[in-house]
Amino acid sequence: AQSVAQPEDQVNVAEGNPLTVKCTYSVSGNPYLFWYVQYPNRGLQFLLKYITGDNLVKGSYGFEAEFNKSQTSFHLKKPSALVSDSALYFCAVRDMSWSSASKIIFGSGTRLSIRP
Amino acid sequence: GVTQSPTHLIKTRGQQVTLRCSSQSGHNTVSWYQQALGQGPQFIFQYYREEENGRGNFPPRFSGLQFPNDSSELNVNALELDDSALYLCASSLLNEKLFFGSGTQLSVL
Repeated sequence: AQSVAQPEDQVNVAEGNPLTVKCTYSVSGNPYLFWYVQYPNRGLQFLLKYITGDNLVKGSYGFEAEFNKSQTSFHLKKPSALVSDSALYFCAVRDMSWSSASKIIFGSGTRLSIRP
Repeated sequence: GVTQSPTHLIKTRGQQVTLRCSSQSGHNTVSWYQQALGQGPQFIFQYYREEENGRGNFPPRFSGLQFPNDSSELNVNALELDDSALYLCASSLLNEKLFFGSGTQLSVL
């Protein structure tokens, strides 16, 4: 079964510092990975995805993610954090076991808090 | 974008509820997710061209409809206390990234 794990419930970073939000995955076959962000009282917003190709994926709002096959990780990164980056971040994987449906499996989420 | 209504809803145990979603124009796929407090969203089911074509681990009292006019519904019968959650609708072109609505917060008392 496909799954993702986010080992940190909360990450605290000072504004201007680099940030990393961790994610590990377990899939059969090639992974199709995502990061989504959720702001208070809002739905989830797509940040980036990895299907194949370059291991460093660039996404929205200056975020990027590094795919590491040997460590089965897909960590979200940003070189310089902003207070406005404070939100709930979800790692997700597409369940490829179904040929006609695209079921997304989400992790439990990591709350990112950026202090001024 | 994707819009959902109502934004908040309070029901009592045993009642039935209908949640509505308007997909992004041109999207042929709508999926519904349940997000309990402090957890990630869980896949309920997906509709493609007005037919259910994938379902998560939810009982049959969770059902849905997709209409030709980019609208869809999630129906839940015989509500239970554990059904209290944020329900998210997402539209997409099949196998592409999801566009989520802001959700309906359902409270079952």
